Amino acid sequence: ETGVTQTPRHLVMGMTNKKSLKCEQHLGHNAMYWYKQSAKKPLELMFVYNFKEQTENNSVPSRFSPECPNSSHLFLHLHTLQPEDSALYLCASSQETSAIGPASGEQFFGPGTRLTVL
Amino acid sequence: AQSVTQPDIHITVSEGASLELRCNYSYGATPYLFWYVQSPGQGLQLLLKYFSGDTLVQGIKGFEAEFKRSQSSFNLRKPSVHWSDAAEYFCALNDYKLSFGAGTTVTVRA
Repeated sequence: ETGVTQTPRHLVMGMTNKKSLKCEQHLGHNAMYWYKQSAKKPLELMFVYNFKEQTENNSVPSRFSPECPNSSHLFLHLHTLQPEDSALYLCASSQETSAIGPASGEQFFGPGTRLTVL
Repeated sequence: AQSVTQPDIHITVSEGASLELRCNYSYGATPYLFWYVQSPGQGLQLLLKYFSGDTLVQGIKGFEAEFKRSQSSFNLRKPSVHWSDAAEYFCALNDYKLSFGAGTTVTVRA
């Protein structure tokens, strides 16, 4: 595997289900990101992990719970979602020079998970 | 606060014709600027980036972009479009985190 991979590529779930999205980066980067992409809206940054520490939570509802067990893996745990959470969820990674301060590295994106909440 | 605006939601261009996509930004200092492309069913791929220096930046797939501080713009251009350039294009600004424009969808007609 190369680059950034995401599984599953497609997910359909009911509002009472619990599921997880997985992201893995094979680039040796130290920062990882979750984005939400909805139709006709700009990409929304959800979470940032820099050197495995969460450095950004962009006012995301608690029904989304991220986990970063190591610098190569990132999860997004989902529970009691709403239909408006249906979107493409993109993972990205970058190489940052510092654990604090601005993130300026070029971000590499995975193909995304298309989530549909019924 | 920083922001990125892409004024054109959808552009249709003939194969072989030139393409220009507009991007305007709002930021208090010299920004880090990017153009990404997203093909259907794919993630985002970086086309080019501007950090400093030469204001005309060359990227992959024959794309270039010009940073104009006086106009707060970072427009993307390609002299001759190929059918495979049909995709969605995103301009982004990086200050601590990436802020994306809403995107421009490019359709290429034969």
